[in-house]
Amino acid sequence: DAGVTQSPTHLIKTRGQQVTLRCSPISGHKSVSWYQQVLGQGPQFIFQYYEKEERGRGNFPDRFSARQFPNYSSELNVNALLLGDSALYLCASGGGDSYGYGYTFGSGTRLTVV
Amino acid sequence: EDQVTQSPEALRLQEGESSSLNCSYTVSGLRGLFWYRQDPGKGPEFLFTLYSAGEEKEKERLKATLTKKESFLHITAPKPEDSATYLCAVQAVGQAGTALIFGKGTTLSVSS
Repeated sequence: DAGVTQSPTHLIKTRGQQVTLRCSPISGHKSVSWYQQVLGQGPQFIFQYYEKEERGRGNFPDRFSARQFPNYSSELNVNALLLGDSALYLCASGGGDSYGYGYTFGSGTRLTVV
Repeated sequence: EDQVTQSPEALRLQEGESSSLNCSYTVSGLRGLFWYRQDPGKGPEFLFTLYSAGEEKEKERLKATLTKKESFLHITAPKPEDSATYLCAVQAVGQAGTALIFGKGTTLSVSS
């Protein structure tokens, strides 16, 4: 069975540019969440989508946006990139919308802003 | 404010030397506590979910326990392949969606 698929795996962008990261959840999973993990820190919640609707948003600026498509895949967009946006961006796939689900994470997209 | 603190930040063990990792949490209402393992350059790998104080779960050399204020991940007779960063996370009432709040992790190194 395919796990959570994220693309691209690595990305280098220049300050001020825009970036789009993509995620395909596990087949049958309808919930996708995005996390940012800075080196040496734990992942920090950015967004959650379930059935194409936003269910939660973390403490991130409006430069960060996301959406979920009818096939439950998702995109995370970041505008006007800053050096501090350099991080591992993780997508988590879940089977439901309730508490207690053990989310499955993808391997992430390593974003470097120069 | 909901918070998760893990200790120690780093732990070095000899193969076969058992130890415990600590995760203390402050939340308004715990919905679930999660343990993940993360290898360098990879995403977190799910290990356990605990829901209520007194609950315990085991998997191979790992055992997770939960009290009202903290969780422990006990590692019995570790092997070098257990080397990784172990992350603790909570889901809490009032958090956005079903967001996980993570600690910074404990990096475990096991030498042979």
